[in-house]
Parts: sequence; structure tokens; C-alpha cells
Amino acid sequence: NAGVTQTPKFQVLKTGQSMTLQCAQDMNHNSMYWYRQDPGMGLRLIYYSASEGTTDKGEVPNGYNVSRLNKREFSLRLESAAPSQTSVYFCASSGSWGQGGNQPQHFGDGTRLSIL
Amino acid sequence: AQTVTQSQPEMSVQEAETVTLSCTYDTSENNYYLFWYKQPPSRQMILVIRQEAYKQQNATENRFSVNFQKAAKSFSLKISDSQLGDTAMYFCAFIRASNTGANSKLTFGKGITLSVRP
Repeated sequence: NAGVTQTPKFQVLKTGQSMTLQCAQDMNHNSMYWYRQDPGMGLRLIYYSASEGTTDKGEVPNGYNVSRLNKREFSLRLESAAPSQTSVYFCASSGSWGQGGNQPQHFGDGTRLSIL
Repeated sequence: AQTVTQSQPEMSVQEAETVTLSCTYDTSENNYYLFWYKQPPSRQMILVIRQEAYKQQNATENRFSVNFQKAAKSFSLKISDSQLGDTAMYFCAFIRASNTGANSKLTFGKGITLSVRP
């Protein structure tokens, strides 16, 4: 079972460069999420998509954009990378409330992103 | 807004012993879910255990159990018979229950690093 797949696993960028982190899930989940994890800060929600066609800001959305391409895919874009965006990024997905309440979120393996 | 507090940044336990990780949360909601996630050095986020707020019975999963005190807004994780593979960072998390899909945000604590000593 693939679950949630993130690409790439590692990336180094220069300040000002752009890039897109890809995420795909094969569990037919309606909701998808992007988090960043920084030392001592836990996981903080960047953006989420409660269902296909909708996206909403989370706790730390500045400097990021997202696209819910279809039910399976949810991408995160950094338009002009900054050193403050150096972090580990996690994508997650969960089933909808119609599938029996708040389902636990399933996480990808993360992307370690360094901005120089 | 919900907050989740894990006040102990690090803990250590001897293999085969029992350890309890603390978590408190603050919310005005009555219906919600609480989770403990484990993050080993491999960086994966693994769901350990889940508790529904409307259930009085504490959740258990093999060696893992919780002590859920709704009035006190406390949700601690007990690991029995600790194993070396339990070494990881553990995160407590909260999500508001919703039937519509709105406000589906999972709020995490800052995590606690658990080391199991051989």
C-alpha cells in the first residue's frame, strides 16, 4: 500500500528560486493537508483542502500556494524561496466525515527542504 | 482556537519499564478527537492511538493506553514494557469533530522526545 507519496524527499534551493512539492494519495481520501515541521515547534498547518476543489489557509500560509489538482493530488508551491522556509514538509490525507467521523490523518514520509 | 501543550521536552525510560507522556489541551468544544502520533528517526508520522471525546472509556492499543480526563483537559499516553523501538518523538494532537468538513484542522503539540535505554 503506497498511502501518501511525497516527492522529492530532499531538495536544496537558492534564495529566490521556486519549486513545487508534490503529494498524492491512493486511499480515496477527501481531505489533504500540508504541514511544516521545525525544531521545537511541532507540526504547523500551512494549507489544507477539505475536499476536491476547495483550499483554505492554515496557521502559516504566507509564502506558499497550493493546488488541489484532483482528488488524489495536492501540491505546495514556493514562489520565491526564503531561508525561513527551510523545514521538513509533510503532506497528509484523511477520510471525510461521511466515512465515519474524523478519520486519523495519514502522513507521507516528508520532504527535507533547505534554502540557502 | 484550540491549543495543545506538551510541557516535557524530553523523557528517558529503561527498557521494559513503563513511562507516561503528558498532554493537556484547551478548547471550548465538547465533541472532538485526540491522537498520539509517533515519529521515529526515520521521520515517518505513525498514528499510535486515538480517543473520541464522547467516549468515557480510555483507548488502548496493545502496550499503549491513554488516561483521558475530559474535565481536566488532559490526555496522557502510557507505554508499558518499553522497547528500544519506542525511541521516538511523540506528538499529541487535537481535532474538532465536524459533520460538514469545516475547520478540519489538526492541532499538534510541540512533541516530546522519548529515549528508551537498554
